Amino acid sequence: QVQLVQSGAEVKRPGASVKVSCKASAYTFGNYAITWVRQVPGQGLEWLGCISAHHGHTNYAQNVQGRVTMTTDTSTTTAHMELSSLISDDTAVYYCAGGATDWFDSWGQGTLVIVSS
Amino acid sequence: QSVLTQPPSASGTPGQRVTISCSGSSSNIGRNTVSWYQQLPGAAPKLVIFSNHQRPSGVPDRFSGSRSGTSASLAISGLQSEDEADFYCAAWDDSLNGYVFGPGTKVNVL
Repeated sequence: QVQLVQSGAEVKRPGASVKVSCKASAYTFGNYAITWVRQVPGQGLEWLGCISAHHGHTNYAQNVQGRVTMTTDTSTTTAHMELSSLISDDTAVYYCAGGATDWFDSWGQGTLVIVSS
Repeated sequence: QSVLTQPPSASGTPGQRVTISCSGSSSNIGRNTVSWYQQLPGAAPKLVIFSNHQRPSGVPDRFSGSRSGTSASLAISGLQSEDEADFYCAAWDDSLNGYVFGPGTKVNVL
């Protein structure tokens, strides 16, 4: 099971971009897919997409396609999720999760992103 | 609107058995495996069932999962106060080419 530690909370203006990082424990990083999930406070979980840590292949959710970019850096065992053209509806807690593409046994602690003018 | 359907809540007294249903379609549960996640208040989700019925290491055997056709269920036997949480089912959806979560079921221990 990989340990995941995320970057801290962010406050952004509408129209700006945010980049959230997710550092993984070293030796298992290349074997995993990293998935990003967000949760609006008080609401359910929403899948944003995933990336193969080794190959860098990505698959994005339709509702953020074109605004989201997921990357990995194997040298630092860190995954990044950048979301652009932010709107107030993007205010949420963003989680990275590690595992297979269809189940995730490791989760980061979450990063609160607030979009406000 | 989620493509997976769950009841909003389920309740039981300590020691009882609670079952949560998850209804989908042929593009998700009907052809792909189901996972279940437990989310305690203020915490990140935790995987409790994967591949329909498999339990990750450390998850008590009080948690069990099953799948039949386009539906799945999570059962919690010997309900304990620490089981009070939100539970989400999830599966890959071939039509959406993405992963979908159910809306979540809040389990209350009375």
